[in-house]
Parts: sequence; structure tokens; C-alpha cells
Amino acid sequence: ELKVEQNPLFLSMQEGKNYTIYCNYSTTSDRLYWYRQDPGKSLESLFVLLSNGAVKQEGRLMASLDTKARLSTLHITAAVHDLSATYFCAERMNYGGSQGNLIFGKGTKLSVKP
Amino acid sequence: DAGVIQSPRHEVTEMGQEVTLRCKPISGHDYLFWYRQTMMRGLELLIYFNNNVPIDDSGMPEDRFSAKMPNASFSTLKIQPSEPRDSAVYFCASSRQGYNEQFFGPGTRLTVL
Repeated sequence: ELKVEQNPLFLSMQEGKNYTIYCNYSTTSDRLYWYRQDPGKSLESLFVLLSNGAVKQEGRLMASLDTKARLSTLHITAAVHDLSATYFCAERMNYGGSQGNLIFGKGTKLSVKP
Repeated sequence: DAGVIQSPRHEVTEMGQEVTLRCKPISGHDYLFWYRQTMMRGLELLIYFNNNVPIDDSGMPEDRFSAKMPNASFSTLKIQPSEPRDSAVYFCASSRQGYNEQFFGPGTRLTVL
């Protein structure tokens, strides 16, 4: 069964702290995606990780991909309140006829408190 | 450059009524996706199109749901008849080729009373 598991599902952080969100996926996917969703809003693309060892950074967020371990991480450095949102990872199906499908995790709801 | 456009943004209807959701993908994108998001089930892919052709509709919950893409710039998702359990946020997304990132529209919040 195709599955993308994120943990934790809920994360309450203090401003200034660091933390990591983990994303385990079940297939030999060649691409991993991270999205952000603010309450009542749409999904915004953050990162596309294309290969093993890929690392991308944008501001206080850094994403990495380990295809051998089927693991991606989203690291938050010195959290600020504006980072409060739900973060989704998704893997791309790459077999059969459904090569466009993304399988999403349940999301990690991040709350950054002063 | 305009993003994915969806209409209506909010829809409140009564059980048994027909509901039509509309989507205009980003120009030049050849893949279009319809998703449904609920608290209980998260984000679910309903159907997706490549070059206006439905590729995978295995996520469509039942025959009450249908989707069309008559041309590259327009798609509809229809629910007939609607039921309260169809209440959700429906997102349309598009991408250039199937392996690139998907860009999501603002969503349609559907409430079926």
C-alpha cells in the first residue's frame, strides 16, 4: 500500500527553537515535494527534491532527501510565528500509468508560540 | 501571471441538488488534478487529466461524481445528487508535465445541508 507518513502530526514550538519534521514514504519515488498550507488557504509549494542527497533551503526552512532510507526531513531553524502553518510532504508515483499522482502525508500542524 | 482559478469559492447547497465546480489551470500546463480535503480523510486525489484526457479516476468516490475537461483551459467537477458527506474543500491543481510541482488553486468550500 502506498503510504506517506509524517511525524509529528502536531508540533508546538517556541520562537527561536529548532525542530525537524520527518516524512517517510513507501515507494522508490524519485521526487519528494513539500507544501505549506495556512488555515483556510490553499497549498503553496515550498520545495521539490529531485535526487538522493538533495538539500534545499529557503529562509528558516531546509529540506533534504534520502532515497535509500525513503526519508525526507524539513528542518526549521530559529522558528518565528510566521512559520505557523500545516506542512505536507508528498511523493510522486512513478510506475504504471499514474505517473502524475502525488501521494500526500496527513500534514504536520506547526504552531510557533512567543 | 495568473495562477489556477477556481469558482465558486464558496458553495452552500441542499442535499440532492447538483453542484458544479470550475477550474482554469495555468496556461501551458498539461496536467490538471482535482483534490478533496476534509479533516477526517486529509487530501485525496479524485481524478487527473493529461492533455484534457482523464488518466486516473480511481479516487472518484462514486458515480455521483463526474469530471470533464473539454479544453486545455477549463475543467469541471460535478456532483449530482449532492449529499452532506460531500462537504469539503475541493482543490484544483495543475502542473507542466506530470513530474513537476503542482500549483493549487484557492479551493472551493462546499457545504451540503
